[in-house]
Order: sequence, then C-alpha cells, then structure tokens
Amino acid sequence: GENVEQHPSTLSVQEGDSAVIKCTYSDSASNYFPWYKQELGKRPQLIIDIRSNVGEKKDQRIAVTLNKTAKHFSLHITETQPEDSAVYFCAASMNNDMRFGAGTRLTVKP
Amino acid sequence: DAGITQSPRHKVTETGTPVTLRCHQTENHRYMYWYRQDPGHGLRLIHYSYGVKDTDKGEVSDGYSVSRSKTEDFLLTLESATSSQTSVYFCAISDSGLAIPNEQFFGPGTRLTVL
Repeated sequence: GENVEQHPSTLSVQEGDSAVIKCTYSDSASNYFPWYKQELGKRPQLIIDIRSNVGEKKDQRIAVTLNKTAKHFSLHITETQPEDSAVYFCAASMNNDMRFGAGTRLTVKP
Repeated sequence: DAGITQSPRHKVTETGTPVTLRCHQTENHRYMYWYRQDPGHGLRLIHYSYGVKDTDKGEVSDGYSVSRSKTEDFLLTLESATSSQTSVYFCAISDSGLAIPNEQFFGPGTRLTVL
C-alpha cells in the first residue's frame, strides 16, 4: 500500500519567516494530495490540496508544489503568524484510500 | 464545519467490553470513513463506506467492524476492546467518486480509553 513520509516532525520559525514541510509518497498511482491543519484538541481541517495533473497551487500565504516524477510534494507558508502554529499533515490518496504522514508540529514565535 | 457529529465524545471502558462509536452526518455525502489518530502515526484509516451497506477495510481494520444501514450514520464497533485501541477516533465524510477524490471533512473526534 501507499506509504507517506513527512519531514520535519517539528519546525520552529520566527513570525514573518517562511516555513516549508516536505512529504514523499511511494505509490505513483496516487492522484490527490491534501494538506490538513490540526490545532490542539480540534479536528483536522483542509488548508490546501493539489491533484496529480497540477504542479503548483497557491492560496494567499499558502502554496503546495508537486513533483510526480520524484514522488514528493511540499507545503510552503510565507509570512508566518502565531496563529499558524499547529500540527500539519500531508496525505496521498488513490481510490478513497488516503494515507497520512505522521505530522509536523509548527511553532511560530512572536 | 460540515454537519458531522460523533458520539460519544469521550469514553472510558475496560478491556474485553464491546464499544460502539457513532458518526452522524447531515450533508448526504456518499463516502464515510473511520480513522484513528495516535502520536507519531498521523491518521490511519480503519474502515470506509461507499454507500448504504457497502463497506471496505482500511489500513488498520483488525479488531474493528463497521455498519452503515442509513446514509447518515456510520457505526464503528470494537467487539472486545483492548488497550492498544486506546486512541482518538475521527469520522470523515466526502462526496468524491473514485476517480475524482475530494476533500474529506472530519468530525470532532471521540477520545477512547481502554483500561
């Protein structure tokens, strides 16, 4: 089955700096790659997603890039703010079988 | 938040007892999922349903069963709970088809402790 690895497991940045989280996947048939943000004690919520026919997608301060050849995708957050502090999960999905990375705990220091 | 509720939200039970968790949606989405979340493992799929009475196994299905008798309800049952099933359980829903996956919306979660 699909295997998703996520790095780093923890990331600490100063407010205003950029943050990058990287994921690799194993199954070249995966065709949907969402990113979820989970605040402490809350449910995961989608922040951005990308499909396998697209290389990059942006939404304000958040962007995701996908390299299908290398089977990796990345989340970029620019101009980080304290409210960006949370755990971020990447996932790779094929036919409703979604596999998640282990998560990255992002801390944005004011 | 999408119209998803889970019950109970917290439960403490003893090893060997049966436990049923309920997920209820008001969005009329076709697909429903059960995940467990444990530190260091992210979210792992237990079972999912693609319609009434249609279910399939996920990555970590051993020790769990599911049922879906109505579009809006998806039940997760631990026939004989073990301490390794202590976890936070999330239900999710999606209106996607197999070829065009879409966002999964998550419920608020159920914290289960098996003593």
